[in-house]
Amino acid sequence: GQNIDQPTEMTATEGAIVQINCTYQTSGFNGLFWYQQHAGEAPTFLSYNVLDGLEEKGRFSSFLSRSKGYSYLLLKELQMKDSASYLCAVRDSNYQLIWGAGTKLIIKP
Amino acid sequence: TAGITQAPTSQILAAGRSMTLRCTQDMRHNAMYWYRQDLGLGLRLIHYSNTAGTTGKGEVPDGYSVSRANTDDFPLTLASAVPSQTSVYFCASSDSGSGANVLTFGAGSRLTVL
Repeated sequence: GQNIDQPTEMTATEGAIVQINCTYQTSGFNGLFWYQQHAGEAPTFLSYNVLDGLEEKGRFSSFLSRSKGYSYLLLKELQMKDSASYLCAVRDSNYQLIWGAGTKLIIKP
Repeated sequence: TAGITQAPTSQILAAGRSMTLRCTQDMRHNAMYWYRQDLGLGLRLIHYSNTAGTTGKGEVPDGYSVSRANTDDFPLTLASAVPSQTSVYFCASSDSGSGANVLTFGAGSRLTVL
């Protein structure tokens, strides 16, 4: 079966750095996505990786290793507004998105 | 502001009743999707439409139906609601002609079936 694993919850301190991991086993691979979802709101797109390596976008970076079935989202200079759930999703060989259950990130002052 | 509008925002429904969740987008995206989100689970695809006039079944289609009469609208109908359909429903759209095919989501509709 197809599976996306990410930690259920993480806690970090304002101003610090946090890394949220995502491992996947899917039927084929056509890209990996990270979305942010604040409580009670819609998911919003953060990043897309289709080739191995690091994609940087301001305070957020996303890394992919296709051979290891692994990605991480790195958040730097954490702000209170970064408290949210972070969803990892992989597009499989049928171009269907497989979603992880999300990682709830709690930022403490 | 361009985007996706869902209605209603929330609804309590008696089991056995029918309900239609509305979804309208103004981005002229060709692809549209309905997901449900339940605690502890990833988003699960109910139905999708790659273009107006066509629809397809997702991972959890039973008990739901959709139509795509035009580009902008993609309503989701529950013919006879059951308590297991209590969930938050998100409509999404994408420009499937683009490489990344990023999804834009509506604000969600919270449905409680009693």
